[in-house]
Amino acid sequence: GENVEQHPSTLSVQEGDSAVIKCTYSDSASNYFPWYKQELGKRPQLIIDIRSNVGEKKDQRIAVTLNKTAKHFSLHITETQPEDSAVYFCARTGSNNAGNMLTFGGGTRLMVKP
Amino acid sequence: DAGVTQSPTHLIKTRGQHVTLRCSPISGHKSVSWYQQVLGQGPQFIFQYYEKEERGRGNFPDRFSARQFPNYSSELNVNALLLGDSALYLCASSSLTFTYEQYFGPGTRLTVT
Repeated sequence: GENVEQHPSTLSVQEGDSAVIKCTYSDSASNYFPWYKQELGKRPQLIIDIRSNVGEKKDQRIAVTLNKTAKHFSLHITETQPEDSAVYFCARTGSNNAGNMLTFGGGTRLMVKP
Repeated sequence: DAGVTQSPTHLIKTRGQHVTLRCSPISGHKSVSWYQQVLGQGPQFIFQYYEKEERGRGNFPDRFSARQFPNYSSELNVNALLLGDSALYLCASSSLTFTYEQYFGPGTRLTVT
């Protein structure tokens, strides 16, 4: 199937610490893995993504790693700040469907304590 | 992503009624996807349209339908509303031609009573 498992469901860190969120997927045809940040009452916002031909991608304090063999990918946030507090969703899409239908994980509520 | 617009923002309907939600994609984007987000869960895919044709359909009943217009805007229709249809309905815009990125609109909060 196309399920995406995301862990942990909640994560509490102290400001300045790192946060890591992990996702696993089952469909080996998956080839694109975005991460979205959703603040309360707002739209999901694309923060970083990675394609299947790349193992790691960084954008300032955010990085994503992908292990295609093990079918898992992770979001790393360094030097966390209170404004990083939100729900984070991983997702995947693949070439098994026309277009780019996204399958989302269940979300991780990140709380950064000042 | 700020370019994706949806209307209305909020909607309250009664069981059995019909609802139409609207979405305008980012200028230049030809693909629109619809997702349902129930409180506390990740978005669930409903439909994708590209160049006015349906490109994908999620696991939703036939009460859900959609269409895309020549200007690439889209409508999502839900008939015979159930309490369980209460959710945030999100529209996502994508160029699809060169990239997989999808950008979400602010959503329509539907409450069915």
